[in-house]
Amino acid sequence: RKEVEQDPGPFNVPEGATVAFNCTYSNSASQSFFWYRQDCRKEPKLLMSVYSSGNEDGRFTAQLNRASQYISLLIRDSKLSDSATYLCVVNIGYGQNFVFGPGTRLSVLP
Amino acid sequence: DTGVSQDPRHKITKRGQNVTFRCDPISEHNRLYWYRQTLGQGPEFLTYFQNEAQLEKSRLLSDRFSAERPKGSFSTLEIQRTEQGDSAMYLCASSLDRGIGPQHFGDGTRLSIL
Repeated sequence: RKEVEQDPGPFNVPEGATVAFNCTYSNSASQSFFWYRQDCRKEPKLLMSVYSSGNEDGRFTAQLNRASQYISLLIRDSKLSDSATYLCVVNIGYGQNFVFGPGTRLSVLP
Repeated sequence: DTGVSQDPRHKITKRGQNVTFRCDPISEHNRLYWYRQTLGQGPEFLTYFQNEAQLEKSRLLSDRFSAERPKGSFSTLEIQRTEQGDSAMYLCASSLDRGIGPQHFGDGTRLSIL
């Protein structure tokens, strides 16, 4: 089983739709979780950290479920500019390597 | 621009040649990471430095790959005797040495092996 798994998509949604992605991780000792966004041929950029209690940033909500070992990202009122690949990132310990998922591709259609 | 910078942006070389990439992290960041990314995949961890110390290396990092961060500031990644399979985007990232914080990525160096 891969350390971090994501549905590669693509998810094609109309503008204004709500879309959710899940990411599962295999190591129960994982401590830190992030969502990054990557546009085509660009570098990954931090979208948001994922906290145990869940957190929201505008139209974006991230949640962590430690029991089932997954994190989720919810995007409300999708914009065309949200089209990108969303990477789930897990860190299993202090100073150790960050494991990236393969990413989920989102296309928001007019 | 005070972000992570990488040089060159693109490198095209023949198989068997050696290449070296440079990364300048954000100035106050003690941690520096190298990743490799191929099409349709997420970045794969290669190695990580805390200041000048190389603390972790991935099993992906064959003996043809070597990385340095001699003064704890910029870092270089060298690939010797390049192979076709080395074609990828090489990304550098840096982060603060406080807890487990998010990483900031450079634009990457795209390597193409002919």
